[in-house]
Amino acid sequence: KNEVEQSPQNLTAQEGEFITINCSYSVGISALHWLQQHPGGGIVSLFMLSSGKKKHGRLIATINIQEKHSSLHITASHPRDSAVYICAVGGSNYKLTFGKGTLLTVNP
Amino acid sequence: DGGITQSPKYLFRKEGQNVTLSCEQNLNHDAMYWYRQDPGQGLRLIYYSQIVNDFQKGDIAEGYSVSREKKESFPLTVTSAQKNPTAFYLCASSKGGSYNEQFFGPGTRLTVL
Repeated sequence: KNEVEQSPQNLTAQEGEFITINCSYSVGISALHWLQQHPGGGIVSLFMLSSGKKKHGRLIATINIQEKHSSLHITASHPRDSAVYICAVGGSNYKLTFGKGTLLTVNP
Repeated sequence: DGGITQSPKYLFRKEGQNVTLSCEQNLNHDAMYWYRQDPGQGLRLIYYSQIVNDFQKGDIAEGYSVSREKKESFPLTVTSAQKNPTAFYLCASSKGGSYNEQFFGPGTRLTVL
């Protein structure tokens, strides 16, 4: 079974700071997902990666398959970025294994 | 607008009662999933369905049951056999496979008194 570890568990930043959230996994995967969960509970998919790097607005996600590691970066952070960010990995079947999440708080 | 709906948002039940959580999608997705979220833990898979009239147990299926009679619907029943049913339940759908984006519903918070 794949083990997914996220760091840090909690992160507090000032508005405008550059933020990095890390995700490591133990077994080879077919895809890695980054998700965002707001206080109300709803979850939104941010990225799905199998290699390289993806960018969407101020968010950048990278993955290193050899090192079994991914990072989510947020540039010019804003209070509206405050949420729980979740890493999930998938193998050859339909199942995803989820990390416990990183709680990000961005203060104005 | 396409999406996934779950109802109700909050649900209260007495211990020993079965309760059914609704999940409907109009994204024309083949695959649907039920997850449970507890404080301090990652999402855990209860059941998933790759196609109509077929479903498989996830990692924590004991005390739960599902059906998939229509492509759009994947209801979850929390039975009295589930020892700790109080949790936040999320439904999701995708085109299929772990390499496809999953779309999540808003969730149902179940409290068993």
